[in-house]
Amino acid sequence: GAGVSQSPSNKVTEKGKDVELRCDPISGHTALYWYRQRLGQGLEFLIYFQGNSAPDKSGLPSDRFSAERTGESVSTLTIQRTQQEDSAVYLCASSPPGIGNQPQHFGDGTRLSIL
Amino acid sequence: DQQVKQNSPSLSVQEGRISILNCDYTNSMFDYFLWYKKYPAEGPTFLISISSIKDKNEDGRFTVFLNKSAKHLSLHIVPSQPGDSAVYFCAACLYNTDKLIFGTGTRLQVFP
Repeated sequence: GAGVSQSPSNKVTEKGKDVELRCDPISGHTALYWYRQRLGQGLEFLIYFQGNSAPDKSGLPSDRFSAERTGESVSTLTIQRTQQEDSAVYLCASSPPGIGNQPQHFGDGTRLSIL
Repeated sequence: DQQVKQNSPSLSVQEGRISILNCDYTNSMFDYFLWYKKYPAEGPTFLISISSIKDKNEDGRFTVFLNKSAKHLSLHIVPSQPGDSAVYFCAACLYNTDKLIFGTGTRLQVFP
């Protein structure tokens, strides 16, 4: 497909387990973002990759959260030792290169439930 | 510390009428603003944006107004249609960054 693809769409796991969430951005998009949306709240910025630059990790809530990106392709968000407060929808977005601001295109998210 | 605020969690409008969604922000270093629409179980989709050098941007039924002195923006949808029923998020971008700060959203319901 032509859009941002995220997998899995749903993930249920026990507290304390590690989880890995995947994002395939739109081909040619150099910027990739991860957000979290808790129930009834807005989107919370987590991390941002732009080309080969060092990622902006300023939104990661704790050292249990990490993310990697292979070149300008797939990204994985890893949450270690999950806690119940990690339950949320995790959204990935990508945007194309260009001068000035470029709108971000979102995937449908991964709904993570920690039991 | 909510830098982007959408104070109305919900709005109900009759089909054909105007929908006005509001957004306030606190950081004067925001220089680009966007509106996203979100249906259940889907990711947000980009609707319309405005740069801080403008006070209005129009795209079909959608118009965004920016009042920098009041740190306020609004999205007008006219005429409203039932398919417009969704959650609308306001987002702001800090100067010289690509990082978006989102509001908490307003659920719009357009009824026949």
